[in-house]
Amino acid sequence: EVQLVESGGALVQPGRSLRLSCAASGFTFHDYTMHWVRQAPGKGLEWVSGISWNSGSIDQADSVKGRFTISRDNAKNALYLQMNSLRPEDTALYYCAKSYYGGNSYYFDYWGQGTLVTVSS
Amino acid sequence: SYELTQVPSVSVSPGQTASITCSGDALAKHYGHWYQQKPGQAPVLLIKQDNERPSGIPERFSGSSSGTIMTLTISGVQAEDEADYYCQSAGSGGIYSVVFGGGTKLTVL
Repeated sequence: EVQLVESGGALVQPGRSLRLSCAASGFTFHDYTMHWVRQAPGKGLEWVSGISWNSGSIDQADSVKGRFTISRDNAKNALYLQMNSLRPEDTALYYCAKSYYGGNSYYFDYWGQGTLVTVSS
Repeated sequence: SYELTQVPSVSVSPGQTASITCSGDALAKHYGHWYQQKPGQAPVLLIKQDNERPSGIPERFSGSSSGTIMTLTISGVQAEDEADYYCQSAGSGGIYSVVFGGGTKLTVL
């Protein structure tokens, strides 16, 4: 059974940093591209960042470029999101998601339950 | 940059058919996918690659796509189908970039 368990969410002040983690199990982690997707309270889904199986390629949303860094440790079956210079608009539930390449676009076949990040003074 | 547009809300009576549309230039070049999200839960993949149902998804859910528009159809809507529905496709950034629609709230009357 595929499981994705996020952790690391917290209440932080604007300008501070936070590191999210996602522990993966039930599938061959190093075979798949992984992503972070967030959802602000009462709002829709927003893609944040994706990383290739070997960390060789990374993409990020414009809204987090220069502030957030995605990484992974295949030996530990873990995905990370380093979040720097946090802003109130980064307040959201952050989901770790396993992706699959379907023909010509990625989709997310498994999601974690999310970890909540609140940025407020 | 690619954007996907959805109507904010759709209402339907139980047993009727609901259609939820998603439009955007990305859909002319890339497959689209649909997710269902119920309150307090993570999204669930509902339809992949325009019209394929993952294992475990009921047959009443179907998808189609033509040009820049894709449609999620729910036949014989049940009360348990009340949820938010999101479309998704490739983004206009790098190969891993992704774009979501704004979501459609389905209300079962």
